[in-house]
Amino acid sequence: EAQVTQNPRYLITVTGKKLTVTCSQNMNHEYMSWYRQDPGLGLRQIYYSMNVEVTDKGDVPEGYKVSRKEKRNFPLILESPSPNQTSLYFCASSLTIGNTIYFGEGSWLTVV
Amino acid sequence: AQSVTQLDSQVPVFEEAPVELRCNYSSSVSVYLFWYVQYPNQGLQLLLKYLSGSTLVKGINGFEAEFNKSQTSFHLRKPSVHISDTAEYFCAVSEKGGYNKLIFGAGTRLAVHP
Repeated sequence: EAQVTQNPRYLITVTGKKLTVTCSQNMNHEYMSWYRQDPGLGLRQIYYSMNVEVTDKGDVPEGYKVSRKEKRNFPLILESPSPNQTSLYFCASSLTIGNTIYFGEGSWLTVV
Repeated sequence: AQSVTQLDSQVPVFEEAPVELRCNYSSSVSVYLFWYVQYPNQGLQLLLKYLSGSTLVKGINGFEAEFNKSQTSFHLRKPSVHISDTAEYFCAVSEKGGYNKLIFGAGTRLAVHP
């Protein structure tokens, strides 16, 4: 079954404690990205990756890092989380440009 | 740059009634258009997409949307809704020929009442 898998699904953490949200896809997709969803704002892109070792900033990259060492994985790193990063995060992937984009089930992150 | 406006934040409707969720977009280049649905506590599922060709697009679960280039709109419709259609619906665009970045609207919460 085609899947985009995110972990953890739910996390409460404290300000400043580094955390990583993992994302893995089993479809051999080249393109992966991270979005955050906030009430009244829809989803906004944080970072994207066109392929292994190729990443770039989206619309709201501040406070986040990513890496793409393997094709299937695209972790989102919050080096020093702050309360304004409390949000619902989605990982997404697609085979290449123009193809259907598949989303993970989301990761609820609360920073206190 | 592109932007997407979903004109209604909430749409209440009775079961078996028709519904239209409105979406307008702004872009200086040609775009692809999408509708996604998010059921409570779930991820996003693609309902339908317009890439090219016929302006009337049919999707899953009986939904359809019509691309109107002159009005820069992509409204979503269903002739008869069910309780199970209660969800949040997102309209999105991406630039043709660009990388796969989706620009989303703020979402419309569809509440179907018995």
